[in-house]
Amino acid sequence: SQQGEEDPQALSIQEGENATMNCSYKTSINNLQWYRQNSGRGLVHLILIRSNEREKHSGRLRVTLDTSKKSSSLLITASRAADTASYFCATAAFSGNTPLVFGKGTRLSVIA
Amino acid sequence: EAQVTQNPRYLITVTGKKLTVTCSQNMNHEYMSWYRQDPGLGLRQIYYSMNVEVTDKGDVPEGYKVSRKEKRNFPLILESPSPNQTSLYFCASKTTGGDFQETQYFGPGTRLLVL
Repeated sequence: SQQGEEDPQALSIQEGENATMNCSYKTSINNLQWYRQNSGRGLVHLILIRSNEREKHSGRLRVTLDTSKKSSSLLITASRAADTASYFCATAAFSGNTPLVFGKGTRLSVIA
Repeated sequence: EAQVTQNPRYLITVTGKKLTVTCSQNMNHEYMSWYRQDPGLGLRQIYYSMNVEVTDKGDVPEGYKVSRKEKRNFPLILESPSPNQTSLYFCASKTTGGDFQETQYFGPGTRLLVL
């Protein structure tokens, strides 16, 4: 399995600080995605980065991908209490009709 | 509104009593999938379907069945539920074309307790 592993498992920060979460995976990928899950709810797609990309931005989110190290990081800048959630990375071996393989997630708590 | 719906949202049942969790999407997506989420284990894929009448096992298919007779529906069937199937279940779908072909859309989840 190419399941991703997020690090840390849990992260607690003050509002306004930056939060960084890391994801490592085992095999070659076509793309890597980050999802967010509020407690007990469905996952929501945040951002996708393809294997030929190194960095991507979306609002306060910044994602990097290092295929040589098989790792990715998600940076949330100027965090808010509303960012409190679990964050999952998911990898796809190929483009299109292939399953996503999810990691176990990082639980982020942003304290106001 | 584009969405994935699941029913029921909460279910308590007893061991051995067959149950079905329905999943429906209104986005004309070809790909649909079922996951279970357990503490410390993250999301694990149960079954997926690339299109009507095409289904494949995921990582943890034992004890589950699925069918894909229509594009919009992908029910999850537990023929004889057991307590180790107590979990939070998610259905998801995605398209296979265009710029957003990789993004999965998730339902709200079904929390199942098997006594």
